[in-house]
Amino acid sequence: GDSVTQMEGPVTLSEEAFLTINCTYTATGYPSLFWYVQYPGEGLQLLLKATKADDKGSNKGFEATYRKETTSFHLEKGSVQVSDSAVYFCALSVSGNTPLVFGKGTRLSVIA
Amino acid sequence: DAGVIQSPRHEVTEMGQEVTLRCKPISGHNSLFWYRQTMMRGLELLIYFNNNVPIDDSGMPEDRFSAKMPNASFSTLKIQPSEPRDSAVYFCASSLGDSPYNEQFFGPGTRLTVL
Repeated sequence: GDSVTQMEGPVTLSEEAFLTINCTYTATGYPSLFWYVQYPGEGLQLLLKATKADDKGSNKGFEATYRKETTSFHLEKGSVQVSDSAVYFCALSVSGNTPLVFGKGTRLSVIA
Repeated sequence: DAGVIQSPRHEVTEMGQEVTLRCKPISGHNSLFWYRQTMMRGLELLIYFNNNVPIDDSGMPEDRFSAKMPNASFSTLKIQPSEPRDSAVYFCASSLGDSPYNEQFFGPGTRLTVL
């Protein structure tokens, strides 16, 4: 079945460090890909998305490129801030009206 | 738009009691999802509805759990009787099913503690 695999956490970085969180997927169809972020005590919120190969999603300094050849959607940010500390979820969707398939989440802690 | 609304935000109850969680999806959305999140098991899909009809409830842990969606603007998740292992954060999410992006919008969650 469809699945998402993302790197195990927790990830601890110093402020202004470069961030990469790896995400790979398996899907029978041609999925849309998402990154969600969950700040402490809150629900998940969409961070960025991409719907076709080579699309780049970006938001708040975060970027991810849809790589069909490697079935990947890695999240990157050039300079993290303490306020980026959260849990990040990679997810896919293969059709409308069906649930997203989520990865297990990666906890990021950024220290000053 | 107010987003997905869940109530209550926090619920503390004793084992054996009935618990009802409520969700109001975003107006116009036709898909609704209930999730449970725990440290041990992460984020789990419990059940989802399309156009108020339950489509897949295979994630509901056992018969103590039930969910309804009587109309397009309201859904409930009921646990009867509740047990300590049901303690978790329960999220409701909604989406516009025919959107090509199928983005899901999450509510703030209900933190349930069963003593």
